Amino acid sequence: DIQMTQSPSSLSASVGDRVTITCRASQSITISLNWYQQKPGKAPNLLIYAASSLQTGVPSRFSGSGSGTDFTLTISSLQPEDFATYYCQQSYSTPWTFGQGTKVEIK
Amino acid sequence: EVQLVESGGGLVQPGGSLRLSCAASGFTFSTYNMHWVRQAPGKGLEWLSYISSSSSTIYYVDSVKGRFTISRDNAKNSLYLQMNSLRDEDTAVYYCARGGVNYCLDFWGQGTLVTVSS
Repeated sequence: DIQMTQSPSSLSASVGDRVTITCRASQSITISLNWYQQKPGKAPNLLIYAASSLQTGVPSRFSGSGSGTDFTLTISSLQPEDFATYYCQQSYSTPWTFGQGTKVEIK
Repeated sequence: EVQLVESGGGLVQPGGSLRLSCAASGFTFSTYNMHWVRQAPGKGLEWLSYISSSSSTIYYVDSVKGRFTISRDNAKNSLYLQMNSLRDEDTAVYYCARGGVNYCLDFWGQGTLVTVSS
């Protein structure tokens, strides 16, 4: 199985900050990497698919990059509604696997 | 508007069975692949199972293989997860999700809680 490792596991940031979350795969997954946002008590919401494609309706302050084994989710200017947990997921091979999550908290 | 509504969760004893359902609306269900994903209390997301639009291709994670069965009824716009031989560690919120581009999960239901306990 492909292991997905996110860093950091949690971070504290202020509104307006630029935030970067990284995700590393245990083997190359080309660009088969997706990012989700989950707020407490809610279902996950797709932000980015295929490493860098923005899902319809997602604000442009979210962006994704990377290929192979190393990927990044960037929030260019953190907004109050962005405080949540973020997960990466590889869709290169089954079983599809998620990272352990990165919790973005208010500083 | 795309909607996925799970049902069928509840309290079940270890070794018991439960059947989850996911009712889809707002899109042409029969043309989309579907997934089940779960989340144990306070934990991360775990992908469980996939079924293609025509049911011709099915995958499972090893931890549920042989115990869980995914199925769908395109005439009823419904997805199912039959769960047998349930264990304490199967306690989680279970989500159905629509398969999108490049096997992403582009829409999710609100989830249904399954509690396995004696």
